[in-house]
Amino acid sequence: GAVVSQHPSWVICKSGTSVKIECRSLDFQATTMFWYRQFPKQSLMLMATSNEGSKATYEQGVEKDKFLINHASLTLSTLTVTSAHPEDSSFYICSARDGRTAAYNEQFFGPGTRLTVL
Amino acid sequence: AQKVTQAQTEISVVEKEDVTLDCVYETRDTTYYLFWYKQPPSGELVFLIRRNSFDEQNEISGRYSWNFQKSTSSFNFTITASQVVDSAVYFCALSEVNRDDKIIFGKGTRLHILP
Repeated sequence: GAVVSQHPSWVICKSGTSVKIECRSLDFQATTMFWYRQFPKQSLMLMATSNEGSKATYEQGVEKDKFLINHASLTLSTLTVTSAHPEDSSFYICSARDGRTAAYNEQFFGPGTRLTVL
Repeated sequence: AQKVTQAQTEISVVEKEDVTLDCVYETRDTTYYLFWYKQPPSGELVFLIRRNSFDEQNEISGRYSWNFQKSTSSFNFTITASQVVDSAVYFCALSEVNRDDKIIFGKGTRLHILP
C-alpha cells in the first residue's frame, strides 16, 4: 500500500517560534494533501486542502496566516505553524491522495506529528 | 450538510464479548463513501474499511463485520470475540465525491476491552 510519512514525529517548541511539519508521499505522487488537527480525546478536524502547485483551501475558522501550507511538489507538503502558542499544541495528521486516476481516490494517512508548545 | 454521529463516546466490555459501534451519517449526496478507522494509543490511523454508497452488502473480515443500511443512514461496526488488542478509538467517517473527497470524521468511540 501507499506510504505517507511525516517529519518530525514530535516536536517541542517555545511560545512565539515557528514550527514546520513535513508530509511526504513515499511511493506515489500526491496531487492533493489534506491537513488535520486532533486535540486530546477529540476527533480529527480538517484544517485545509492543498493541491500541488496552487494555494491551499482552508476550512472555516482556520487562520491561513497562522498555518502556512506549501505543496510545491507532488510528494511533499509542509505545514508551518507560525508564532506558535500553547493552544496550538495538538496532533497534526496529513493525508495524501493521487487524484489523477479515474477510480476512487484513496487517501493515505501519515503517522502524525505531536506538537507541544511551551 | 455532511455529518457523522457516533453516539457512544466510550464503551467497556470484557474480553471475548461482542461489541457493536454505532455510526449514523447525514449527506445530501447520492454518491459518497463511508469509512471506519482505528486509532490505537500510538496515534496512527489504521484504515479498516471503505464502503461506497451503492454497495449495501454487509462485509465480514475475520472478527470484524460491518452493517451498512442506507434506509437508516447507518454504518455499524461489530467486533466479535473482542480482544484486549482491540482497545482503541474507532472513528467512522464520510467522504462526499462532490466535496473534493474531503473526509469528515465522527467524534470517535473509545473502546476498552477488559481482560
